[in-house]
Amino acid sequence: AQSVTQPDIHITVSEGASLELRCNYSYGATPYLFWYVQSPGQGLQLLLKYFSGDTLVQGIKGFEAEFKRSQSSFNLRKPSVHWSDAAEYFCAVVDRPGGYQKVTFGTGTKLQVIP
Amino acid sequence: EAGVAQSPRYKIIEKRQSVAFWCNPISGHATLYWYQQILGQGPKLLIQFQNNGVVDDSQLPKDRFSAERLKGVDSTLKIQPAKLEDSAVYLCASRLGGQGAYNEQFFGPGTRLTVL
Repeated sequence: AQSVTQPDIHITVSEGASLELRCNYSYGATPYLFWYVQSPGQGLQLLLKYFSGDTLVQGIKGFEAEFKRSQSSFNLRKPSVHWSDAAEYFCAVVDRPGGYQKVTFGTGTKLQVIP
Repeated sequence: EAGVAQSPRYKIIEKRQSVAFWCNPISGHATLYWYQQILGQGPKLLIQFQNNGVVDDSQLPKDRFSAERLKGVDSTLKIQPAKLEDSAVYLCASRLGGQGAYNEQFFGPGTRLTVL
């Protein structure tokens, strides 16, 4: 069965500093991978997705992620964090039982941004 | 384009009571999901509909949870009777495509349930 591990429960960075959130997945075939962001009291918003092709994918709000098959990783990065980036971030992998999309989420990483 | 709508946004009930949540997906979206998100955890899929049929309900506690999507549009999720451990945010999401179609899920704001 597929699984996603986000080893960092909580991360604190200074505004303007760079950010990297880790995600490791377990999946038997070529994975379809997503990063979502959840602000307090809000639903999840898609930041970016990887299906195939270029292993460096660009998303919204200046985020990017790199798929590394050899490391089973899909880490999220941002060169300069803004205070508004404080939120919880979820990595997810997609399975396709019977051809239908089924998403498994990681436990999330809560990002705190300090001035 | 209107997003996924959910109501109520908040609900507080006593244990053993019943509760129902409502979701209206984005117009034209065939696939609808209900997730349970316990504090400090990622969303866990409870049930997935394709139009008005159930695709996956393997993680739905069927002794107390039920869900329906009668006309293939909006959906309700019910808990009866509720337990303390049901306290969570219940998220609804919808997606345009069905089998073989990779497109993103759009999430509603969720319903925060507190069971006392």
